Amino acid sequence: DAKTTQPTSMDCAEGRAANLPCNHSTISGNEYVYWYRQIHSQGPQYIIHGLKNNETNEMASLIITEDRKSSTLILPHATLRDTAVYYCIRTSGNTPLVFGKGTRLSVIA
Amino acid sequence: GAVVSQHPSWVICKSGTSVKIECRSLDFQATTMFWYRQFPKQSLMLMATSNEGSKATYEQGVEKDKFLINHASLTLSTLTVTSAHPEDSSFYICSAFPGTGNSPLHFGNGTRLTVT
Repeated sequence: DAKTTQPTSMDCAEGRAANLPCNHSTISGNEYVYWYRQIHSQGPQYIIHGLKNNETNEMASLIITEDRKSSTLILPHATLRDTAVYYCIRTSGNTPLVFGKGTRLSVIA
Repeated sequence: GAVVSQHPSWVICKSGTSVKIECRSLDFQATTMFWYRQFPKQSLMLMATSNEGSKATYEQGVEKDKFLINHASLTLSTLTVTSAHPEDSSFYICSAFPGTGNSPLHFGNGTRLTVT
């Protein structure tokens, strides 16, 4: 049980921002929100993670609601190479990640 | 950054033979590594946790005698699929934590196994 809910699929125009939502309404106080993506036939790639504050790195931004029940991954300027399955995962400590079905993002030229 | 290397990236074998997949942490030591399996159009499923110097722990439904895991050093874990059958054809992915605390789990690029 992944314990997060994500839309099955989304489309985004190339060059526009891609906003991927995730619901984790039962998240515990010590659990972080992690985002990974998997491009076809490759291993998952780490994107970003956060606890309660918004985070930004060179790949994306993570916006976490104040009640921590949901979050949004933002790819500011999507490119065709961002087409992948995006996984939102909640986890605490050094435990193996439990993957749900993720969101299949298609970036369209 | 931390890199996890998997070898081979793909392998084709005949039914009844065994196949070994290697997972290496290239620039860090990993006392624990995780093995996942992914069937087409499905998500990753955890198979087992590989512990350096001790026995692996397997998830429910994963046969430990079929999927042999050896974690003989801090940088290498191997998964051997014994007496492979076509239903074992899958994408096998290993992963490891590069550090302590909330360092992200890093994944190898996977091994595509096809059993004919």
